[in-house]
Amino acid sequence: QSALTQPPSASGSPGQSVTISCTGTSSNVGGYNYVSWYQQHPGKAPKLMIYEVSQRPSGVPDRFSGSKSGNTASLSVSGLQAEDEADYYCSSFAGSNNYVFGTGTKVTVL
Amino acid sequence: EVQLVESGGGLVQPGGSLRLSCAASGFTFSSYWMSWVRQAPGKGLEWVANIKHDGSEEYYVDSAKGRFTISRDNAKNSLYLQMNSLRAEDTTVYYCARHTLTYFDYWGQGTLVTVSS
Repeated sequence: QSALTQPPSASGSPGQSVTISCTGTSSNVGGYNYVSWYQQHPGKAPKLMIYEVSQRPSGVPDRFSGSKSGNTASLSVSGLQAEDEADYYCSSFAGSNNYVFGTGTKVTVL
Repeated sequence: EVQLVESGGGLVQPGGSLRLSCAASGFTFSSYWMSWVRQAPGKGLEWVANIKHDGSEEYYVDSAKGRFTISRDNAKNSLYLQMNSLRAEDTTVYYCARHTLTYFDYWGQGTLVTVSS
């Protein structure tokens, strides 16, 4: 399984919004509503931010939202804050108990 | 509070073996699938293997099949990854993660494995 494709970087000023795309195929992103998103600060473990395309775990601010159209999923962060600066990874179930992650996007808060 | 603490990483020569452990607490370990996910320095995440809550099923990424074995001891609330025939490209941080089959909801802090002569 090839990694899902994400833009290497995205940026926005505090208070603005940023959207990250995650492109796969019909064998993963397009075939299942099992896309999740993870935030990773430098030297830290990933943290679940969105699961099953658009569901937010308890404790994750509603500034974070997810969606999907065809083979592309998206993570949107509104009202950017300094602490949102991190790497973000998407992931998708890929059938037969296989999972694939995205290439990662570094979000910079200007 | 859910806690996952990995151990067992270190420096190993190419072709060598290493066994990673993950101690779980704060949840009913025997009720959850568990996974190992790895991340090369400065690179992205890669799912490596997972194991059913009772240990009856296990699955691997192609690059790990035949070399790595995932196992668990529910009595000890522990997850393991036996890694044999290690290669330079196995040099990564290995995370254990609690797994719900559609996403990974809790992660440990990771343990670094370096394969080098």
